[in-house]
Amino acid sequence: SQQGEEDPQALSIQEGENATMNCSYKTSINNLQWYRQNSGRGLVHLILIRSNEREKHSGRLRVTLDTSKKSSSLLITASRAADTASYFCAPPSRGFKTIFGAGTRLFVKA
Amino acid sequence: DTEVTQTPKHLVMGMTNKKSLKCEQHMGHRAMYWYKQKAKKPPELMFVYSYEKLSINESVPSRFSPECPNSSLLNLHLHALQPEDSALYLCASTENEKLFFGSGTQLSVL
Repeated sequence: SQQGEEDPQALSIQEGENATMNCSYKTSINNLQWYRQNSGRGLVHLILIRSNEREKHSGRLRVTLDTSKKSSSLLITASRAADTASYFCAPPSRGFKTIFGAGTRLFVKA
Repeated sequence: DTEVTQTPKHLVMGMTNKKSLKCEQHMGHRAMYWYKQKAKKPPELMFVYSYEKLSINESVPSRFSPECPNSSLLNLHLHALQPEDSALYLCASTENEKLFFGSGTQLSVL
């Protein structure tokens, strides 16, 4: 099984700014997912990008995938205070084993 | 119904108590998970049930005992826990490689 490694570990920005967080992984994948977790709550699935896609959009979210570098990035544009959360990437593992990395803790100041 | 429901939301128990956490989903998902999450850490996988059979046990101590009575229900029986077991316990189910999480049970062991 593998887990993603997110970078940076923490990010603090002003409302309205863009936030970029990165994910690296070790072995070949057929897709990669991003999740968000508000403090003390369950994780919420944000977006899934497949290995044959380089970029995917969902509202203010933009995810890129570079399989040659084994990396992905999540961009949140025009951030809002409500975007304050931890963000995790999850490359797939064999069977049903999804392992999460340390995540990026995003704080958006109003 | 696109929810994973966990009860109770909060639980305080003594080290000699026996309690159970419950998780329910009616989305027809055939894999269900228990994760444990300490504050400011990522979720750690504990157990995975696939088609009502235990398929993954991440070397979890026997004081945690999972049970899957049917395809919609997942329980976690707790007995003789230690204070260090205090954490947020998250249940999830999966479809098409996406995980759907409940809001968790915040457990405090005194």
